[in-house]
Amino acid sequence: QKEVEQDPGPLSVPEGAIVSLNCTYSNSAFQYFMWYRQYSRKGPELLMYTYSSGNKEDGRFTAQVDKSSKYISLFIRDSQPSDSATYLCAQGAGSYQLTFGKGTKLSVIP
Amino acid sequence: SQTIHQWPATLVQPVGSPLSLECTVEGTSNPNLYWYRQAAGRGLQLLFYSVGIGQISSEVPQNLSASRPQDRQFILSSKKLLLSDSGFYLCAWEGVTKNIQYFGAGTRLSVL
Repeated sequence: QKEVEQDPGPLSVPEGAIVSLNCTYSNSAFQYFMWYRQYSRKGPELLMYTYSSGNKEDGRFTAQVDKSSKYISLFIRDSQPSDSATYLCAQGAGSYQLTFGKGTKLSVIP
Repeated sequence: SQTIHQWPATLVQPVGSPLSLECTVEGTSNPNLYWYRQAAGRGLQLLFYSVGIGQISSEVPQNLSASRPQDRQFILSSKKLLLSDSGFYLCAWEGVTKNIQYFGAGTRLSVL
């Protein structure tokens, strides 16, 4: 079983839609949960991070962590064409190793 | 504020040539530093990490090496490049909060 599963997409939505991006993981030791946005040919940009369970909101973005089901989500409200990118989830257990999903490619169509 | 610089942005090198990629961080001291390689469809692969000057841990045995000559400088090297070394190389730093890593813009390396 892979440590992190992330649907690679591609996911295509119309502008203004609500986007849901998800990852599942298997390692119960994970305590840190991150979402990165990566534009084509650029480095990943940290969008949000959460420690342990719960929700975190930042503008149009909401991150959710459900440790009981080992499921993390990123919601994007009122999606914009500028949100078109690949979104990577990442998890850490406090050591130096992060575990990354392979990324979901999102396209927001004007 | 903290910034991370990586250069060059793009590099085309012949097989068998040496490699040196540099990464520097500004606005923080004693960061943990990381080198990753990102291949299409394969996600991010951790290559090396460093918790201090001269301290390097290798995650994947390969044709590459890393050095940290100064607190905020991290260098990725190779003596002889292979075709399989092609990829997108990313440097990242981590501050006081463990596991929260910030990436540079990356270097796209093509070995021909």
